[in-house]
Amino acid sequence: GENVEQHPSTLSVQEGDSAVIKCTYSDSASNYFPWYKQELGKRPQLIIDIRSNVGEKKDQRIAVTLNKTAKHFSLHITETQPEDSAVYFCAAIAPFMGGGADGLTFGKGTHLIIQP
Amino acid sequence: EAQVTQNPRYLITVTGKKLTVTCSQNMNHEYMSWYRQDPGLGLRQIYYSMNVEVTDKGDVPEGYKVSRKEKRNFPLILESPSPNQTSLYFCASSLQQGWAGSEQFFGPGTRLTVL
Repeated sequence: GENVEQHPSTLSVQEGDSAVIKCTYSDSASNYFPWYKQELGKRPQLIIDIRSNVGEKKDQRIAVTLNKTAKHFSLHITETQPEDSAVYFCAAIAPFMGGGADGLTFGKGTHLIIQP
Repeated sequence: EAQVTQNPRYLITVTGKKLTVTCSQNMNHEYMSWYRQDPGLGLRQIYYSMNVEVTDKGDVPEGYKVSRKEKRNFPLILESPSPNQTSLYFCASSLQQGWAGSEQFFGPGTRLTVL
């Protein structure tokens, strides 16, 4: 099945600086890559996603890049603000093959700390 | 308001006492799933359902059961809970899954402690 590795597990940056979180996946058939943000004590919420036919996607201060050849994708947050402090999860999904897990696999998460 | 609800939000129980965590969504989503979240392990899928009466195992199904008799409800059943099932549980739903992939909407979570 799919395996998603996420790095780093903890990332501390100064407010206003950029943050980059990286994920690699193992199944070359994976075609959907969402990123979820989980604030302390709350549920995960989707912040951005990308499909395999696109190399980059931006939404204001957040961007995601995808390198299918290398099987890795990254989350970029620019001009970080205190409210960006949270745990971020990447995920990858491979086409449903029937039986077993449906291919949606999450990374272990990155705790992003924004230092004032 | 479109949402996924779970009950109870907090539960402390003892080993072997059967329990059910309910999950309901009002978005007419076909796909629903259960995850457990443990420190350092991220979100791991327990069971999922592609539609009514269609369920399948995720990555960590041992010790859990589910049912999908109605589109909106997807309860998680622990027939004989053990301490290693102490965790934070999330139910989620999405419009579709499989090859297409779409946003998953998570419930508020259920913190379960098994003594």
